[in-house]
Amino acid sequence: EPEVTQTPSHQVTQMGQEVILRCVPISNHLYFYWYRQILGQKVEFLVSFYNNEISEKSEIFDDQFSVERPDGSNFTLKIRSTKLEDSAMYFCASSSRGSSYNEQFFGPGTRLTVL
Amino acid sequence: DAKTTQPTSMDCAEGRAANLPCNHSTISGNEYVYWYRQIHSQGPQYIIHGLKNNETNEMASLIITEDRKSSTLILPHATLRDTAVYYCIVRVFNSGNTPLVFGKGTRLSVIA
Repeated sequence: EPEVTQTPSHQVTQMGQEVILRCVPISNHLYFYWYRQILGQKVEFLVSFYNNEISEKSEIFDDQFSVERPDGSNFTLKIRSTKLEDSAMYFCASSSRGSSYNEQFFGPGTRLTVL
Repeated sequence: DAKTTQPTSMDCAEGRAANLPCNHSTISGNEYVYWYRQIHSQGPQYIIHGLKNNETNEMASLIITEDRKSSTLILPHATLRDTAVYYCIVRVFNSGNTPLVFGKGTRLSVIA
């Protein structure tokens, strides 16, 4: 069964450093998303991406964040200068256009720890 | 903010049916009810969705009241692996670009 994959599973970084979180969506999917979940809190939407541009973003997704689809398979989230409060699980998701369900398939997540 | 209300937690005996309620009294005519679950900090997993008719798949059944203001997710024979946080989400059914708005969900504990 196809699945969304994410790397790394755990990233530790120093405050102020740049991090790139990587995702490989399901191959025939066209819509891509990033969500995050701070420990003990709700899953929060960050950004959606379609046709090589951002479709929608939340208030969390400020100028420190960017997304990119550098090739036909990867989808990345970059945080330019990490803050302590960026520590969270980051989930990538993808969905297909034309699916009768439009369900979003989530990856296993990357745990980001900012020290 | 989430447009749904769910109990914070529930327990269920292994092998019994788990019935998880959800209130969505402000649901609009073009909004579907989706259920996802999250097992111990893994990525959320889609379970089922519906508009107004009851739905069943290999994982669960979804019962939606006639006025669509509430619904119940039914896991017919709960196992220990069903222990998770269950999210009821109201979402416009469209081409697939709508983000999911998660609430706090219901933490279901299946007990042996």
